[in-house]
Amino acid sequence: AQSVTQLGSHVSVSEGALVLLRCNYSSSVPPYLFWYVQYPNQGLQLLLKYTTGATLVKGINGFEAEFKKSETSFHLTKPSAHMSDAAEYFCAVSGGRYGKLTFGQGTILTVHP
Amino acid sequence: GAVVSQHPSRVICKSGTSVKIECRSLDFQATTMFWYRQFPKKSLMLMATSNEGSKATYEQGVEKDKFLINHASLTLSTLTVTSAHPEDSSFYICSAPEGRGRSGEAFFGQGTRLTVV
Repeated sequence: AQSVTQLGSHVSVSEGALVLLRCNYSSSVPPYLFWYVQYPNQGLQLLLKYTTGATLVKGINGFEAEFKKSETSFHLTKPSAHMSDAAEYFCAVSGGRYGKLTFGQGTILTVHP
Repeated sequence: GAVVSQHPSRVICKSGTSVKIECRSLDFQATTMFWYRQFPKKSLMLMATSNEGSKATYEQGVEKDKFLINHASLTLSTLTVTSAHPEDSSFYICSAPEGRGRSGEAFFGQGTRLTVV
């Protein structure tokens, strides 16, 4: 079984500031981990994913995340926030190879000018 | 990347009627598709796994008779909300796994906003 906890339902940053969205997971098997972004009334867009190999994963739009097995974490970061980053972000885990995902509760990112 | 198309993007229906939502994999075959429901300001909850040529697998607490799933071909799965009520109003999203499922990744449709009045 898998579960995901995103710490903080809302995160607010200033434009140009560091973005840090936290995600912790539990999985009974080696996890595949994902971050998705969702804009209002739209589907999910994949930001990045970790399957195997390098634990620091780079994604689109300047985002990256680091898989830390010892901490069961997969936090999402971006060095400098843009206004266009304002959206809802979901961390997800897949415990197998079939694309069945368990999602965290989501974090709404607000970016202030 | 692979494309999953979901239709309609928005639908309003009267209470008691049925609504069908389509999910198509446009450039790959999907023997499995997933249907999620997203409540306002909530996360996505898996409703069911759609299996081509066989019965869908429903998650605990999901009414099979209310949410009918058909996966008639390798590129199309449909979700029919039967006898819809206002509490069925929600955002429904489908997904299909990456081609051979090796990465565990899934490609998502654009979602359907269902409003039952």
